[in-house]
Amino acid sequence: GAVVSQHPSRVICKSGTSVKIECRSLDFQATTMFWYRQFPKQSLMLMATSNEGSKATYEQGVEKDKFLINHASLTLSTLTVTSAHPEDSSFYICSASRSAATNEKLFFGSGTQLSVL
Amino acid sequence: GQQVMQIPQYQHVQEGEDFTTYCNSSTTLSNIQWYKQRPGGHPVFLIQLVKSGEVKKQKRLTFQFGEAKKNSSLHITATQTTDVGTYFCAGPQGAAGNKLTFGGGTRVLVKP
Repeated sequence: GAVVSQHPSRVICKSGTSVKIECRSLDFQATTMFWYRQFPKQSLMLMATSNEGSKATYEQGVEKDKFLINHASLTLSTLTVTSAHPEDSSFYICSASRSAATNEKLFFGSGTQLSVL
Repeated sequence: GQQVMQIPQYQHVQEGEDFTTYCNSSTTLSNIQWYKQRPGGHPVFLIQLVKSGEVKKQKRLTFQFGEAKKNSSLHITATQTTDVGTYFCAGPQGAAGNKLTFGGGTRVLVKP
């Protein structure tokens, strides 16, 4: 199966700093990647759709200036949490698919546990 | 907007017993997908159902897509400790694209 690599797996940072999370599709090209946030024992909350070569599409209520998404190539999308605060602490997961077809399954990264002190 | 709901939220099962988890969408779906997330892990694709009334089996797991393509179920027989995790169903938002709406998940705990 396809592999999606996400780094770092865990990060602890001080309040006010920025954190970059990388999501890579290792063996396929992903024109679209998705970023989610997951609180303990809860479902996946879609934050934004990352489109290669164009601006990300953010879900309602997600601050685009707070969560910067860059999709510079067909295999890499990054999420930068800017000026992180303790309330940004969460599990962030990315996913990618081989195409944008409605029946295309998603391959998930292993997630990043962010803790802001 | 589209909503996908799953029940039950939690499922405590005695090892060896069977159980079923249900998924309901507020809109008709072109397909429905199921994912499993182990504790501390990430979601992993299990299966996709496309046709109305479709039934697919994976060993002890049986997936079904409703006739109206608005609901689905996952039935697990002879539950094992390896079945522990959260099972999510997900359906595409809209008629185009693969942006999925995930259900709230059913968290399965197995009692040995």
